[in-house]
Amino acid sequence: NAGVMQNPRHLVRRRGQEARLRCSPMKGHSHVYWYRQLPEEGLKFMVYLQKENIIDESGMPKERFSAEFPKEGPSILRIQQVVRGDSAAYFCASSQLADTQYFGPGTRLTVL
Amino acid sequence: AQSVTQPDIHITVSEGASLELRCNYSYGATPYLFWYVQSPGQGLQLLLKYFSGDTLVQGIKGFEAEFKRSQSSFNLRKPSVHWSDAAEYFCAVSGGGGADGLTFGKGTHLIIQP
Repeated sequence: NAGVMQNPRHLVRRRGQEARLRCSPMKGHSHVYWYRQLPEEGLKFMVYLQKENIIDESGMPKERFSAEFPKEGPSILRIQQVVRGDSAAYFCASSQLADTQYFGPGTRLTVL
Repeated sequence: AQSVTQPDIHITVSEGASLELRCNYSYGATPYLFWYVQSPGQGLQLLLKYFSGDTLVQGIKGFEAEFKRSQSSFNLRKPSVHWSDAAEYFCAVSGGGGADGLTFGKGTHLIIQP
């Protein structure tokens, strides 16, 4: 049973470009969470989604960031017009019953 | 708002010695509590969790944790550490029956001395 898959594992973007991070939850899991890990801030919750619905986006920056979890396919975290401060590790977690979250390996985003 | 405090940023223990990592939480209702471990450049692996019931919970890799409501604590313990236990350890809390996003502590970096 494959775990949570994230791709790419490493992503380099220049300032102003768009970054797309993908997350495939564990089989049978319909709840997806995104977190950001910054060196001095630790792990912060960004958004919680179920299929085709955003349940809680209280941790998402108001501008440039968006997330979706379509009926078919992976969950996508999109960052438009990236800035150097977006450089971080982004982790996806999935859950079957919305209790225990299992994490993917993360995507390391570097903005040049 | 819920919060988690891990008072120790770094802890150094000798291989074979016992370990206790501290975690204090703030949450108004019954919390869902978790410990995760992260090796460098890797994702987070779940060590153990507490939802209800027995306050002493067993996890993987020989770890255990004890929930103490009166102290708002959920400390992680291991009787004898191995060099492979060197990693970053995160305590986390969730409300909403576990459905909410996790609130993490800042982590404790564990160093194992030979």
